[in-house]
Amino acid sequence: SQELEQSPQSLIVQEGKNLTINCTSSKTLYGLYWYKQKYGEGLIFLMMLQKGGEEKSHEKITAKLDEKKQQSSLHITASQPSHAGIYLCGALHGSSNTGKLIFGQGTTLQVKP
Amino acid sequence: SAVISQKPSRDICQRGTSLTIQCQVDSQVTMMFWYRQQPGQSLTLIATANQGSEATYESGFVIDKFPISRPNLTFSTLTVSNMSPEDSSIYLCSVSGVLETQYFGPGTRLLVL
Repeated sequence: SQELEQSPQSLIVQEGKNLTINCTSSKTLYGLYWYKQKYGEGLIFLMMLQKGGEEKSHEKITAKLDEKKQQSSLHITASQPSHAGIYLCGALHGSSNTGKLIFGQGTTLQVKP
Repeated sequence: SAVISQKPSRDICQRGTSLTIQCQVDSQVTMMFWYRQQPGQSLTLIATANQGSEATYESGFVIDKFPISRPNLTFSTLTVSNMSPEDSSIYLCSVSGVLETQYFGPGTRLLVL
């Protein structure tokens, strides 16, 4: 099984709807990163979570890390076409920052106007 | 945040040839990494580029195929040697920034014919 699993693999939502993407690790996380990627382009850093129970927000995107530090969710409120893209979670495992990220398979989001 | 540039942004190469990809950061960083994203796949870490010493490769990647240089704290190169169509991917460099953030370059899209 994958060390880091994302769900769903793809998502199509109507503009204005809320949505949630999940990222589950098979190991305890030192840190969990969320990125957005437009097709064929580089990764845009969204946020990084490190503490169990931590929650961060950036504009209409909120990410949480559960208390056990093995699962994170990314929530988008009132989605817009500009939110469309591939969302990737990246995990740092272990007890220190090695900088080596393990990535989930990604969630492709389409937002219909 | 760190600003990262990569050259070339894309290339089409013939099998058996080699391509060197450059990564330039606008500030000194401790950790630099190279990732590969094969078509339709997520990111896989190739190696950690160590300043002044040999790179540290992940399982499945070897120095003869992916030689890496890092002469200083702002620059690194990745060479894809003796290319085959299976090397067609997006190659991305990343750096660790302040507060354990991690940023990615725009990527180099490589097509091997």
